[in-house]
Amino acid sequence: EVQLVESGGGLVQPGGSLRLSCAASGFTFSNYWMSWVRQAPGKGLEWVANIKQDGSEKTYVDSVKGRFTISRDNAQNSLYLQMNSLRAEDTAVYYCARRGNSGNSIYFDYWGQGTLVTASS
Amino acid sequence: AIQMTQSPSSLSASVGDRVTITCRASQGIRNDLGWYQQKPGKAPKLLIYAASSLQSGVPSRFSGSGSGTDFTLTISSLQPEDFATYYCLQDYTYPYTFGQGTKLEIK
Repeated sequence: EVQLVESGGGLVQPGGSLRLSCAASGFTFSNYWMSWVRQAPGKGLEWVANIKQDGSEKTYVDSVKGRFTISRDNAQNSLYLQMNSLRAEDTAVYYCARRGNSGNSIYFDYWGQGTLVTASS
Repeated sequence: AIQMTQSPSSLSASVGDRVTITCRASQGIRNDLGWYQQKPGKAPKLLIYAASSLQSGVPSRFSGSGSGTDFTLTISSLQPEDFATYYCLQDYTYPYTFGQGTKLEIK
């Protein structure tokens, strides 16, 4: 059974840092692109970042470029999101998602339960 | 960034109704579109990918269509468990962008 379990969320002051983790199991982690998607309280979904299977390609939404870093450890079956210079508008539930593919089609087929990050003084 | 506009933003319907949700892209995205269902306090769930391909395990009452800029999600006969919020997502180009969501409520 595919499982994605996020951790590391919490309350942090604006300007602070936080590192999110996502532990993957039930599939060959190193075969998949992985992503982070967030959802501000009461709002819609926003894609945040992607990372290729070997970590050689990383892509971010403009609003987090230069502040967030996505990374992975395939030996530990883990995905990470280092968040620096946090702002109030980064407050959200952060989901880890597996990016599957079928031919040229891609999609997020498995999601974690999410971890809440609150940037507030 | 490509903007995805969903309509309606909310919808009231009854069990057994046929429901259609639309998503319009600000530029052509071929068929690089998925539909996701989200229930309160839960993670999103993939329903449809590549505009019209049904994800494994998703009931056949869900269907998707469209290409280019205009897409639809149809639920042929609403069931009680279908009341949720639905999002479209374009994966044609970065940044991937979601529609603002359609909240489907019980009439």
